[in-house]
Amino acid sequence: GENVEQHPSTLSVQEGDSAVIKCTYSDSASNYFPWYKQELGKRPQLIIDIRSNVGEKKDQRIAVTLNKTAKHFSLHITETQPEDSAVYFCAASNGNQFYFGTGTSLTVIP
Amino acid sequence: SAVISQKPSRDICQRGTSLTIQCQVDSQVTMMFWYRQQPGQSLTLIATANQGSEATYESGFVIDKFPISRPNLTFSTLTVSNMSPEDSSIYLCSVDTSGSRMGSYNEQFFGPGTRLTVL
Repeated sequence: GENVEQHPSTLSVQEGDSAVIKCTYSDSASNYFPWYKQELGKRPQLIIDIRSNVGEKKDQRIAVTLNKTAKHFSLHITETQPEDSAVYFCAASNGNQFYFGTGTSLTVIP
Repeated sequence: SAVISQKPSRDICQRGTSLTIQCQVDSQVTMMFWYRQQPGQSLTLIATANQGSEATYESGFVIDKFPISRPNLTFSTLTVSNMSPEDSSIYLCSVDTSGSRMGSYNEQFFGPGTRLTVL
């Protein structure tokens, strides 16, 4: 089956700096890679996703890159703000189910 | 996306009892999923619930412990049976709103979760 690894497990950045979270996957059949943000006590919220036919996608301060050859994808948050503080989960899907990473707890220090 | 609700939002239960969690969606969806998330942990898929067929369970989860119903395209229930303190967790349903068939990449959206504490 698929194995998704996520790093780092915790990340602290100063407000305004960039944050990068990386995930690797093992199943070459995976073709959809979403990222979820989960604030304390709340549900995971889809913030951005990328499909296997695209190398990069950007939405305002958030971007995701995908390297299919190396089987890794990354979340980039620029100009971080305190409200970006949350746990972020990556996932990989082969179309039938999702495999989630272990999560990254991001703290943005004002 | 879709509006997804879960009931109850939280409960405290005694060991040996059972709790049924309901998940309601405001639109018809083909695929619904049940996850468990223990404090500070990632999301673990319990089972996939498709209307008109039996749920498909992941390794480590069995129907006798986690029976699931999917009577129609907008509703599902998960029962946690014969509970023990180890079942204390957050249980989340999610839906695939794309309406696509199995085998195509789909977005999942989560319900608000049910926080279960077993004493």
